[in-house]
Amino acid sequence: DSGVTQTPKHLITATGQRVTLRCSPRSGDLSVYWYQQSLDQGLQFLIQYYNGEERAKGNILERFSAQQFPDLHSELNLSSLELGDSALYFCASSSGQGVGDTQYFGPGTRLTVL
Amino acid sequence: AQKVTQAQTEISVVEKEDVTLDCVYETRDTTYYLFWYKQPPSGELVFLIRRNSFDEQNEISGRYSWNFQKSTSSFNFTITASQVVDSAVYFCALSEGDSGNTPLVFGKGTRLSVIA
Repeated sequence: DSGVTQTPKHLITATGQRVTLRCSPRSGDLSVYWYQQSLDQGLQFLIQYYNGEERAKGNILERFSAQQFPDLHSELNLSSLELGDSALYFCASSSGQGVGDTQYFGPGTRLTVL
Repeated sequence: AQKVTQAQTEISVVEKEDVTLDCVYETRDTTYYLFWYKQPPSGELVFLIRRNSFDEQNEISGRYSWNFQKSTSSFNFTITASQVVDSAVYFCALSEGDSGNTPLVFGKGTRLSVIA
């Protein structure tokens, strides 16, 4: 158990809908990262937050947004869903205090868009 | 730009065989960090090892060992006396920079199947 929690574990929805994925980092970690794992693209970085502020952006679509709250949990919002958004979405956290800190991953949320 | 290449897509071995998973990276930074993660069939990503660019010492942890060679930009992972429980997808990843924490760039992964 990495200490990172993600809910829900599975999500099935229809095209055009909006969903919210939730992540709670390990106790004491300030940095949260979101990654998407799909068969064709592999593991890709979406966005990073540090202590409530956006730190880095990757290949995140405009239909996707995220935030980190004062209690440090994070939410990833996916809207106008398309079939191609079906993937495993991981949240990871690190202390954010050092350099090149290890990122510990949550169990992931498997999103299926029908 | 940073890049991680895992040329072996799938490897199949018989239990108790040794197996080496290859990882080649590209980066222009002199400070960087390399990682290996394991993704078992259950789907979670499990951290195995972190290595910084200034530490070229090889590391051994039980049946696992890692060979870091800056001269060839490689960070290979060897499992000795493989077991069925080692069956998983293994990812090599790179993080650049000497300030703050940067996102990971992953290789495509190597699927290891250990047959009893």
